[in-house]
Amino acid sequence: GAGVSQTPSNKVTEKGKYVELRCDPISGHTALYWYRQSLGQGPEFLIYFQGTGAADDSGLPNDRFFAVRPEGSVSTLKIQRTERGDSAVYLCASSPRRENTEAFFGQGTRLTVV
Amino acid sequence: GESVGLHLPTLSVQEGDNSIINCAYSNSASDYFIWYKQESGKGPQFIIDIRSNMDKRQGQRVTVLLNKTVKHLSLQIAATQPGDSAVYFCAETPGGGADGLTFGKGTHLIIQP
Repeated sequence: GAGVSQTPSNKVTEKGKYVELRCDPISGHTALYWYRQSLGQGPEFLIYFQGTGAADDSGLPNDRFFAVRPEGSVSTLKIQRTERGDSAVYLCASSPRRENTEAFFGQGTRLTVV
Repeated sequence: GESVGLHLPTLSVQEGDNSIINCAYSNSASDYFIWYKQESGKGPQFIIDIRSNMDKRQGQRVTVLLNKTVKHLSLQIAATQPGDSAVYFCAETPGGGADGLTFGKGTHLIIQP
């Protein structure tokens, strides 16, 4: 595809369940970012990958959140023991290089924990 | 803590008028700023950026002004169109290859016909 693709677009899960959110970056983009956006707020940085490695995971709120990018392309954000406070839109962005100027965002996955 | 924020949550302007969206930042180490536009149900879309060694940058119908003395950033949109209706965020990064962006809360721009 031409842009960053995120699946699913919507996810409803019960409190305590495990969820995985997928991001397909633009082909050839080495940098990948995950953000979380709550209603009425700006996106909040979670984690950054350069290639396969998590170069900066300082934004992950706690150890229930984890992300991988095993082959340097697709990334999966994993949330264990979901809580209602995890409800938000999870955005993925990719960039051909480290600078943020060319970061392209996907449409996000809206996660609702009930 | 240090953060990026916006002065007005909602701004309503007449179609064809110019609009100005403001942003205050407090991180004195910030050296790179970006304005994003976000339409409902979509991810943020890059509009224009500016580095701290500049005080003004122009794009197509948009101008970003940076005042480092008072740590203030603004986005000017000329001759607003209905398609300009969206939420606008300023974002900053300390630069030097820093990783995540820090976003403000956003301003909802409404274009009145």
